Amino acid sequence: DAGVIQSPRHEVTEMGQEVTLRCKPISGHDYLFWYRQTMMRGLELLIYFNNNVPIDDSGMPEDRFSAKMPNASFSTLKIQPSEPRDSAVYFCASSTIWTLTDTQYFGPGTRLTVL
Amino acid sequence: DAKTTQPPSMDCAEGRAANLPCNHSTISGNEYVYWYRQIHSQGPQYIIHGLKNNETNEMASLIITEDRKSSTLILPHATLRDTAVYYCIVSYGGSQGNLIFGKGTKLSVKP
Repeated sequence: DAGVIQSPRHEVTEMGQEVTLRCKPISGHDYLFWYRQTMMRGLELLIYFNNNVPIDDSGMPEDRFSAKMPNASFSTLKIQPSEPRDSAVYFCASSTIWTLTDTQYFGPGTRLTVL
Repeated sequence: DAKTTQPPSMDCAEGRAANLPCNHSTISGNEYVYWYRQIHSQGPQYIIHGLKNNETNEMASLIITEDRKSSTLILPHATLRDTAVYYCIVSYGGSQGNLIFGKGTKLSVKP
């Protein structure tokens, strides 16, 4: 099993540019999560999907952030326009309700730097 | 806010047991205790979880006190590769979306 796949692994962009982060969850998992990690705020949940439908987006910082899940095997997190304070590591995770646990499997993360 | 309290850091000698404590005095009857760890520059990794009984798997053991207000994660023979931040989290089983990561304990395994 390939695990959760994220791309790119590193992204450097300039303020004002659009950034798109990508995630492929583990096959068969019906939940997908997007997290952000910074030194100041730690690991924060941004949004999560169940069966491709957004369930809770209360963690999304502002309208500049948007997330989509067009199918069960792909999700994107977009930031437009990007700002230096968006610099962080963004993790995607997936899980399945069938385990009746909160065992989430995390991807390797995308390190975003906004100059 | 995280519902758990953990020491910010701990040291352990390689080959010895690492005992990581966690306080969760406000845990409710149907909340589980989960442990994850994050090795530098990697995504968090699930370790173990439990409700009332002690649990053991290939990675670690989880000891939960009878009143469930605290628990201890035990790595029986710590290696250098176990150096990581360990997170203790309480959450309803299968609730999804409710893993709140606090600051965790930075475990340093030393040769």
